[in-house]
Amino acid sequence: GEDVEQSLFLSVREGDSSVINCTYTDSSSTYLYWYKQEPGAGLQLLTYIFSNMDMKQDQRLTVLLNKKDKHLSLRIADTQTGDSAIYFCAESNTDKLIFGTGTRLQVFP
Amino acid sequence: GAVVSQHPSWVICKSGTSVKIECRSLDFQATTMFWYRQFPKQSLMLMATSNEGSKATYEQGVEKDKFLINHASLTLSTLTVTSAHPEDSSFYICRPETGAHNEQFFGPGTRLTVL
Repeated sequence: GEDVEQSLFLSVREGDSSVINCTYTDSSSTYLYWYKQEPGAGLQLLTYIFSNMDMKQDQRLTVLLNKKDKHLSLRIADTQTGDSAIYFCAESNTDKLIFGTGTRLQVFP
Repeated sequence: GAVVSQHPSWVICKSGTSVKIECRSLDFQATTMFWYRQFPKQSLMLMATSNEGSKATYEQGVEKDKFLINHASLTLSTLTVTSAHPEDSSFYICRPETGAHNEQFFGPGTRLTVL
């Protein structure tokens, strides 16, 4: 079955880069996504990558995809305290999204 | 971006009562609505997919008689948790289907606490 895994927690200093990792099992995934969830709120789509791409950059966000290893990462450059949140990756090959377990990012000054 | 609202944002109820959660897409019409629940410190799990004017499709392990979904219009879908129990306490989030993979809008969520 489909399974999406993430490390639970990441702590970084303000101004450093953050790298959040995700592994998935469904090789037929068409799109892979990254979301941000702030406390008590719904999800916000941050960025996505199509499965035939290796990398996508969007301002401070860089997504890397290793399709062979089924590994996805999100790099946040110049991490700010406002980036503190839970980050979810997700895969899909239909309308259905399969979410990862979520990584709590804590940014300290 | 599109706005999706949920009401109520939080609710506390006694065990055995029913709770209705509304999800509205405020500026676009959604033929399909996805309902998720998120237990504390866990990920979002899809519960069911509703289509306007027809019966919802439930994911494995989700009781359709307990979680009643009504999608009577293109801008409103409701989820009713019937005879709620403490184990139903969760964060319920809706997501209208937009047809565009790069446009996804989630409701702000409804936190249900069953005493």
